[in-house]
Amino acid sequence: EDQVTQSPEALRLQEGESSSLNCSYTVSGLRGLFWYRQDPGKGPEFLFTLYSAGEEKEKERLKATLTKKESFLHITAPKPEDSATYLCAVQARSGAGSYQLTFGKGTKLSVIP
Amino acid sequence: DSGVTQTPKHLITATGQRVTLRCSPRSGDLSVYWYQQSLDQGLQFLIQYYNGEERAKGNILERFSAQQFPDLHSELNLSSLELGDSALYFCASSVQQGAGGYTFGSGTRLTVV
Repeated sequence: EDQVTQSPEALRLQEGESSSLNCSYTVSGLRGLFWYRQDPGKGPEFLFTLYSAGEEKEKERLKATLTKKESFLHITAPKPEDSATYLCAVQARSGAGSYQLTFGKGTKLSVIP
Repeated sequence: DSGVTQTPKHLITATGQRVTLRCSPRSGDLSVYWYQQSLDQGLQFLIQYYNGEERAKGNILERFSAQQFPDLHSELNLSSLELGDSALYFCASSVQQGAGGYTFGSGTRLTVV
């Protein structure tokens, strides 16, 4: 069974204080690893897809990296508007030619001005 | 606006009742996925349809059912509702059978009283 574990569950940062969120996974036949951002009461918003170990993707203050067992979401000099829950998900084949996303429980990030 | 439309946004109903949640996928997307999000469980995959056919099932209760219509919109039917069914229900869509990222709607908040 595919498993995704995110840590920490919650993180409070001062504005400008850089940090990293962790996503460790166990999956058979990883096709891709996804990062989403979710604001309270809203649907997850796609950030990145990583497909192979060593791959990195960047978007503004966010940088995602992937190894064979885990992914990191690095946040550089965060601003209050970066406050959200960050979700990690792995995609693997679920049969009948389809693929399924399995999500972690997320890391709730709060950036204090 | 993600392009995935879910209605209604909020629903309050009594235990034992039946409700229908509706989802219109992003234009051009053939796959529709339903997820349940509760506070303690995170995003849980329920079921996937591709071009009108069921393709994958997750942790979907027998009281729940779904279908995808020829115009590609989908409905999730929840019956014999229990207090524990209170959650956010998200629909997501993708072009292919899960390859690549999903685009999520803004969700339906179901409250069972």
